Amino acid sequence: DAGITQSPRHKVTETGTPVTLRCHQTENHRYMYWYRQDPGHGLRLIHYSYGVKDTDKGEVSDGYSVSRSKTEDFLLTLESATSSQTSVYFCAISEPGTGIYEQYFGPGTRLTVT
Amino acid sequence: DQQVKQNSPSLSVQEGRISILNCDYTNSMFDYFLWYKKYPAEGPTFLISISSIKDKNEDGRFTVFLNKSAKHLSLHIVPSQPGDSAVYFCAANPTNTGNQFYFGTGTSLTVIP
Repeated sequence: DAGITQSPRHKVTETGTPVTLRCHQTENHRYMYWYRQDPGHGLRLIHYSYGVKDTDKGEVSDGYSVSRSKTEDFLLTLESATSSQTSVYFCAISEPGTGIYEQYFGPGTRLTVT
Repeated sequence: DQQVKQNSPSLSVQEGRISILNCDYTNSMFDYFLWYKKYPAEGPTFLISISSIKDKNEDGRFTVFLNKSAKHLSLHIVPSQPGDSAVYFCAANPTNTGNQFYFGTGTSLTVIP
C-alpha cells in the first residue's frame, strides 16, 4: 500500500470557519491531488500539485486553496466553509514515468459543515 | 457537465458469473482510461488501465475493453467473487493535460454468494 495519510479523518465545523485538511505521503511522488466525492458526481478534482510550490486548479476549485511547501505534504484550505463543501475529501499521489500512471489514494476525510 | 458517465448506479451478479461494468465518455481528447475499485470508508484503489492505442487489456480476472468510435469502455470481471463487491469508478485522462483525470459517478457491484 502506498504511504498516504490524511488528517483529520473526520471533522464537523460551522459555516464560515476556516478548515485545513492535510495529506502526507512517504512515497516521494511528485504529483499530489485533492478530490471531493459527492453522490451523483463521483470524484471531482479540486486542485493538484506537480511539485513543491507548483499547483494548479481542477474542475471545482472555487472556495478552496492549496499549498505545498514540502514534497510530502499537500494542504487543502477552505477559507470560509459553506454547507455545499460538506463532502468526503480524498488525497491522491502519482509519479510520472514513461506514460500515464495510476493514482494512489488516501483513506479520505469526511467533512461536515453545519 | 459530466464528461465520463456510468449510467448504471448498481449491478447485482451471482458468484461465478460475469460482471460487466460500463462507462461512456464525451470528450474525444481522452486517450487513457483507468478503473478504480472502492470499498466503504476507504480510498479508491487502482484496478486496470488501457491506452487509446489498444482495444483490450487483461489482468487476471479483469479485462477492460475500449471502443473509441463509440466512446465506450467496459470492465469485465470473470468469474465474479463476493470480494469484488465494491463501487467501481472509471476515469479518463485527456491528451496533453498532464495528470488531470475525470471520474465517472461509479457503479456499485454486489456479487451474491
